[in-house]
Amino acid sequence: AQSVSQHNHHVILSEAASLELGCNYSYGGTVNLFWYVQYPGQHLQLLLKYFSGDPLVKGIKGFEAEFIKSKFSFNLRKPSVQWSDTAEYFCAVKANQAGTALIFGKGTTLSVSS
Amino acid sequence: DVKVTQSSRYLVKRTGEKVFLECVQDMDHENMFWYRQDPGLGLRLIYFSYDVKMKEKGDIPEGYSVSREKKERFSLILESASTNQTSMYLCASTREATDTQYFGPGTRLTVL
Repeated sequence: AQSVSQHNHHVILSEAASLELGCNYSYGGTVNLFWYVQYPGQHLQLLLKYFSGDPLVKGIKGFEAEFIKSKFSFNLRKPSVQWSDTAEYFCAVKANQAGTALIFGKGTTLSVSS
Repeated sequence: DVKVTQSSRYLVKRTGEKVFLECVQDMDHENMFWYRQDPGLGLRLIYFSYDVKMKEKGDIPEGYSVSREKKERFSLILESASTNQTSMYLCASTREATDTQYFGPGTRLTVL
């Protein structure tokens, strides 16, 4: 069965600090990978996704993520965070196989102080 | 823009009540999903549906059932609500099974 592991439950940063949130998954086949974000009081929304091609993908608001197949990882990065990046971030994995559903990690809460 | 709406933002029910949570999407998506979101546990899949009248169990289907009579509507039913079903319930839809999921605003259910 697939599983997704997010390394950090809560990350606290000052504005302008760099961010890296870890995500590892367990599944031996082809996968589609996602990062979702939930700002306080708002819907979950897509930050970025990887299906195939260039393993470095860029998303909204300056976020990027790198797929490293050999490490089963899809870490999220941002060079310089802003106070408005305070949110909960979820990594999600979908096996490229019929009958399977998107599996989410437990989430990482990011708090950015100004 | 894809729109996924849920019937209530907040709901308070008593133990033993039957609870209906409704979800409607306006983009003709085939696939619809129900999750519950709890602090420290992330999103856990309850049920999903790939087509009208079809349903598949997710990771935590116990205590829940679903109904998909029309393509745009996916209902989550708690036959006899219990306090451990107090949670945030999120509905999502997607055109293709591998595609981006679009989420509704969520229903925060409290069972007393």
